[in-house]
Amino acid sequence: ETGVTQSPTHLIKTRGQQVTLRCSSQSGHNTVSWYQQALGQGPQFIFQYYREEENGRGNFPPRFSGLQFPNYSSELNVNALELDDSALYLCASSWGVQGSEQYFGPGTRLTVT
Amino acid sequence: RKEVEQDPGPFNVPEGATVAFNCTYSNSASQSFFWYRQDCRKEPKLLMSVYSSGNEDGRFTAQLNRASQYISLLIRDSKLSDSATYLCVVNMNRDDKIIFGKGTRLHILP
Repeated sequence: ETGVTQSPTHLIKTRGQQVTLRCSSQSGHNTVSWYQQALGQGPQFIFQYYREEENGRGNFPPRFSGLQFPNYSSELNVNALELDDSALYLCASSWGVQGSEQYFGPGTRLTVT
Repeated sequence: RKEVEQDPGPFNVPEGATVAFNCTYSNSASQSFFWYRQDCRKEPKLLMSVYSSGNEDGRFTAQLNRASQYISLLIRDSKLSDSATYLCVVNMNRDDKIIFGKGTRLHILP
C-alpha cells in the first residue's frame, strides 16, 4: 500500500455537470500529480501541484482545475463534463518535483452519461 | 513522432524466459525516466527508476541510451506474477511535464 488515498472510488455524472475528486498524499510528500487514464491507454498527465501551486500542466482544457491544501491533499475539479471525460482518474504523490518517484492512489472511476 | 512510444504487445513469453522492452522518447532534454507496472484495473506501481549508468534490482535491469533516446527494461527468469502492463515514464523536467507511454502488455505462460 502506498498510503495515497482517493475518493470517491466510483462516480456517475451526467454530461454538463461538475465533479470534484479528492486525493490524500502519502505522509511526507509535498507534491501531487493528477492523471486521466482511458481504457487501454497510459495515464495522461493533467497537472501537478507543489506546495499549493500548479507546477506543470498537460494538454487539458481550463475546465480541468485543481487545488492543493496546506496538508498537501488535493482536489481535481472538472466543469461542464463531457462523455469523453469518462475515465479512471489517478493521483500520485511524491517528494519534490524534479525527477521524483511517484506513488499512486487506487483511482476514481468516473462515468459520464 | 509521439513523445513517448512503446510496443503495445502483447508479449507472450514462457515462464523462465528473458524478455526485454524498449521505450523511445522524442525530447532530448528529458531528464528522468521510470518504469511502472500496472495490473488489470489497478493503479500503476513504481518498478524502478532508470539511471544514466543503468541499474539492476533482482531480476530486473533498466538501461538508458541518451544518444538513441530510449530506455529499456529486461526481465530475467520471468515468473507468472510478472504478467502485467509495463509503462515507461519520461519526466521532461524543463516543462514540468510527465509523459507515460501507452504500456506494453506482458503475458507469462506456464
